[in-house]
Amino acid sequence: QVQLQESGPGLVKPSETLSLTCAVSGYSISSGYYWGWIRQPPGKGLEWIGSIYHSGSTYYNPSLKSRVTISVDTSKNQFSLKLSSVTAADTAVYYCARRKGLLRPFDYWGQGTLVTVSS
Amino acid sequence: EIVMTQSPATLSVSPGERATLSCRASQSVSSNLAWYQQKPGQAPRLLIYGASTRATGIPARFSGSGSGTEFTLTISSLQSEDFAVYYCQQYNNWPPDTFGQGTKLEIK
Repeated sequence: QVQLQESGPGLVKPSETLSLTCAVSGYSISSGYYWGWIRQPPGKGLEWIGSIYHSGSTYYNPSLKSRVTISVDTSKNQFSLKLSSVTAADTAVYYCARRKGLLRPFDYWGQGTLVTVSS
Repeated sequence: EIVMTQSPATLSVSPGERATLSCRASQSVSSNLAWYQQKPGQAPRLLIYGASTRATGIPARFSGSGSGTEFTLTISSLQSEDFAVYYCQQYNNWPPDTFGQGTKLEIK
């Protein structure tokens, strides 16, 4: 059974960098597939942040591209998100998820982690 | 960027009745359309992909239809556990993936 688990600070100060990690179990990231991050501000809808292929190729939402970095660590079977220069608008539940291919949906999701941007 | 528009924003239906949710894309997404169910405090759960294929373990009362720009999710006989928020997502033309704003299905 594939499982994804987000971890990272729940509180980040404005202008700082948000850093989250998604640990994957039940599947080896190095075997393939795409791994992504999606966020959801409180009471609002879903916004795709970006995805990474197991080989390291990255795809970012143009609206966030200048501030986002997604990386993968196959030795630890995890991938990470960094979002720089955060503001209150970046307060959201952050989910990590898996997709099997370019033309496939997200089939496995982590439980999500709330990150609040506040001083 | 493809804009996904869901209607209605809120749908009130009685248990046992049929619910029909709509999703429209600003340009054709072929059949590369998924539906997700989200309950409070939980992650989205994949229900339908390829516009009409049920994901593993999804009950047959959930069905999807459509292609191009118009899509429908139908729940044939609502159970208590079906009341939730439903999102559509296009994955035909990414980046970026885009989601609809959601339809809240509530008990009438």
